[in-house]
Amino acid sequence: AQKVTQAQTEISVVEKEDVTLDCVYETRDTTYYLFWYKQPPSGELVFLIRRNSFDEQNEISGRYSWNFQKSTSSFNFTITASQVVDSAVYFCALKRGSNYKLTFGKGTLLTVNP
Amino acid sequence: EAQVTQNPRYLITVTGKKLTVTCSQNMNHEYMSWYRQDPGLGLRQIYYSMNVEVTDKGDVPEGYKVSRKEKRNFPLILESPSPNQTSLYFCASSIWGGIDYNEQFFGPGTRLTVL
Repeated sequence: AQKVTQAQTEISVVEKEDVTLDCVYETRDTTYYLFWYKQPPSGELVFLIRRNSFDEQNEISGRYSWNFQKSTSSFNFTITASQVVDSAVYFCALKRGSNYKLTFGKGTLLTVNP
Repeated sequence: EAQVTQNPRYLITVTGKKLTVTCSQNMNHEYMSWYRQDPGLGLRQIYYSMNVEVTDKGDVPEGYKVSRKEKRNFPLILESPSPNQTSLYFCASSIWGGIDYNEQFFGPGTRLTVL
């Protein structure tokens, strides 16, 4: 079975602080895909990043960065110099290479206060 | 504009009254899927479809039906809704590249209340 754990239910920070959202996954597959999605208060789901299991290179996109470590089965997401507009629920998700299902974590509610 | 549309966006209904939530995408995507989102549970997959006439169960299929007669449409059917199906529903689609899986594009969501 596959599983995604986002242990942080809620995080509250002050604007300009750095914040890391944790994601730990479980799968027996050697080929799999990891995703992060953002759900702002308006409710839509916005794709942020996809990472394949065979590509452990970390990625930076502006203030966002992702740290993929297969050794610890983690795919953590860091926001540098957080802003109020970053306030949202963030979901980590896993798709095994051997089937078509996408499993989401329960999400982390990030609140950035001015 | 490339998008996934859902209708209705909001629906209040009563127990046992059959309903259909429509989902349509204009990106010629092979893969489509339905999720429900509940507080504290995240998103859970209901059904998915790899192509026309090919569907399969996700993690929480009980009480739901789907069909995929056309590539662009993937309606979700609740034959006899119950209050525990009150939830926020999302439809999603993506290109199915075989070994290379792409991100899913989500619709705006349908908030369903079953009284």
